[in-house]
Amino acid sequence: KAGVTQTPRYLIKTRGQQVTLSCSPISGHRSVSWYQQTPGQGLQFLFEYFSETQRNKGNFPGRFSGRQFSNSRSEMNVSTLELGDSALYLCASSFWVEETQYFGPGTRLLVL
Amino acid sequence: KQEVTQIPAALSVPEGENLVLNCSFTDSAIYNLQWFRQDPGKGLTSLLLIQSSQREQTSGRLNASLDKSSGRSTLYIAASQPGDSATYLCAWGWGGYNKLIFGAGTRLAVHP
Repeated sequence: KAGVTQTPRYLIKTRGQQVTLSCSPISGHRSVSWYQQTPGQGLQFLFEYFSETQRNKGNFPGRFSGRQFSNSRSEMNVSTLELGDSALYLCASSFWVEETQYFGPGTRLLVL
Repeated sequence: KQEVTQIPAALSVPEGENLVLNCSFTDSAIYNLQWFRQDPGKGLTSLLLIQSSQREQTSGRLNASLDKSSGRSTLYIAASQPGDSATYLCAWGWGGYNKLIFGAGTRLAVHP
């Protein structure tokens, strides 16, 4: 079974631009969660989707948004990029809640 | 504020040693505790998941224990190998959700 895939793997943007990241979960998994990883803050929860519904959101500004499609694929969007948004963005999928989460390789975003 | 603390922050050992990595959490209402490893620049690999009703889980040379009353989990690595070199992260999960709260990790180096 294929693992979690994320596209693109690397991205360079400039301040003020917006970006969309994509995550395809493991086949059959209905839950997708997103995390931001930075050297200073470590891994921080962004949001969680289950069956197209956002069930939980972390402490991030409204510039960060996401959605999940009927095939469980998920996208996250960051508008008006800031230098501090440079990070590794990881998505994770699981079949149900409270189960093992499987992570993708991440998208490394650099904001200049 | 929910916090997860991992001790030590870094560890360097010769090959063959048995290791104990520690993880403590402040919220005793956790639902589960998950251990991951992360190789440099990569995503997370799930190692073990312990539900709050369990005391320990084992996989190969890895054994993880959970003591909710003291707010602690330990990851025991037997007969360490150079391939075990990575950052080990613990994360606790909320009941009913797939939101994980991560510790800062223990950076492990096993030298031949």
